[in-house]
Amino acid sequence: AQKVTQTQTSISVMEKTTVTMDCVYETQDSSYFLFWYKQTASGEIVFLIRQDSYKKENATVGHYSLNFQKPKSSIGLIITATQIEDSAVYFCAMREGRNYAQGLTFGLGTRVSVFP
Amino acid sequence: ETAVFQTPNYHVTQVGNEVSFNCKQTLGHDTMYWYKQDSKKLLKIMFSYNNKQLIVNETVPRRFSPQSSDKAHLNLRIKSVEPEDSAVYLCASSPNGQNYAEQFFGPGTRLTVL
Repeated sequence: AQKVTQTQTSISVMEKTTVTMDCVYETQDSSYFLFWYKQTASGEIVFLIRQDSYKKENATVGHYSLNFQKPKSSIGLIITATQIEDSAVYFCAMREGRNYAQGLTFGLGTRVSVFP
Repeated sequence: ETAVFQTPNYHVTQVGNEVSFNCKQTLGHDTMYWYKQDSKKLLKIMFSYNNKQLIVNETVPRRFSPQSSDKAHLNLRIKSVEPEDSAVYLCASSPNGQNYAEQFFGPGTRLTVL
């Protein structure tokens, strides 16, 4: 069975600094996809970035990047040059590759607060 | 505008009542989902629906049932609500056949059961 664990409940950072969030996952599948989503204060859930299990290179999109450590089943999210609007709850999620209709398994989320 | 739309935004009801939530996506996707987000913010998949194939999370009580008229619509019916059904229900969609594709979420329907 799949499992996603985010151990950091909340993180506070100053604006324009870098924040790193941890996520570890469990799966029996050799092919899987890892996602990071952001949930804003209004409740909106927004996709940020994805890592495919077969890719060795860490994914990067804008000021989001991933630290994929496959042997440790770890997929950390790094946000550089943080802005006030990056304040949100960040969710790590996984889907195994066998069934494209399968839903995502989510972690409990990490609340990030960015202060000026 | 292409997105995932949900109605209503909020719903308050009494224990034992029946409720129905609507979801429509204009993204041209073939797969739709319902998630439940509880008070601790945990998001759990309830149903996946693709080409009339329904995948049910085995932990979902039988009083919940998805209803689809076409691939752009996936409604959620709860036959007799219970207090533990209070949560935010989120609809999502993704392109068919692309198991790497991200899911797009609607704004959610917040259900309060008194």
